[in-house]
Amino acid sequence: DSGVTQTPKHLITATGQRVTLRCSPRSGDLSVYWYQQSLDQGLQFLIQYYNGEERAKGNILERFSAQQFPDLHSELNLSSLELGDSALYFCASSVNPGTGPSEQYFGPGTRLTVT
Amino acid sequence: DAKTTQPTSMDCAEGRAANLPCNHSTISGNEYVYWYRQIHSQGPQYIIHGLKNNETNEMASLIITEDRKSSTLILPHATLRDTAVYYCIVRAYNQGGKLIFGQGTELSVKP
Repeated sequence: DSGVTQTPKHLITATGQRVTLRCSPRSGDLSVYWYQQSLDQGLQFLIQYYNGEERAKGNILERFSAQQFPDLHSELNLSSLELGDSALYFCASSVNPGTGPSEQYFGPGTRLTVT
Repeated sequence: DAKTTQPTSMDCAEGRAANLPCNHSTISGNEYVYWYRQIHSQGPQYIIHGLKNNETNEMASLIITEDRKSSTLILPHATLRDTAVYYCIVRAYNQGGKLIFGQGTELSVKP
C-alpha cells in the first residue's frame, strides 16, 4: 500500500459525458501528479500540482483539467469524453516539487471506460 | 531528459538473481537514474534511484557504470511476485517531477 488513494476504482460512462477522478496523496506529500495509461500510448504524464499550484503540464488535453485543494487532495476532470479517453488514470505524490531527487508513490488507479 | 533503452522482455528462474540492464548513453551530469516497476495494471512502484554511486535498498541494488552510460537493476533472489514491467527512467534533479516512462522490460519469473 503506497498510501495514495484514488476513487473511484472503476468508472463506466458514455461519450460526451464528464467525470471527476479523485486522489488523496500520502500524508505529508505536497506534490500530486496525474498520469494516463492507455494500451497504445503507455504511461503518459498529464499534470503536476505542488501545494495547490500548477507546477508542470504534459500531454493533457484541453478537455481535461485538474486542481489541488487546500487539504492537498486533487481532482482530475475529464469532459466531452471520447472513446479514446478509455484508460487507466494514476495519481502519484511526492514530498517535494520535483527539484532534487525524490521518488513518487502511485495510487492504485481509476479505470475509465467510455462507451 | 536522456533517453533510455531496455530489452523488451527477460526471463528469470525463481530464486536466482534478476539482472535488468538499461542504456542511457546521453545522460547528463545532473540526471538521476530511477527504476520503477508495474505489476499487471497496478500503480507503478518506486524501486530505487542513483546518481553515480551504486545503491542498495531492501528491494534491489542499482549498479551504475563509471561513465554513467548504463546501469543494471539487480533483484538478488527473484520471486514469482517480481514478475512485472520494469522501467528505467532518467530525470534531471532540476527538471521538475514528471516521469517519462518508456516501454520498459517485461520480466517473467518462472518456477
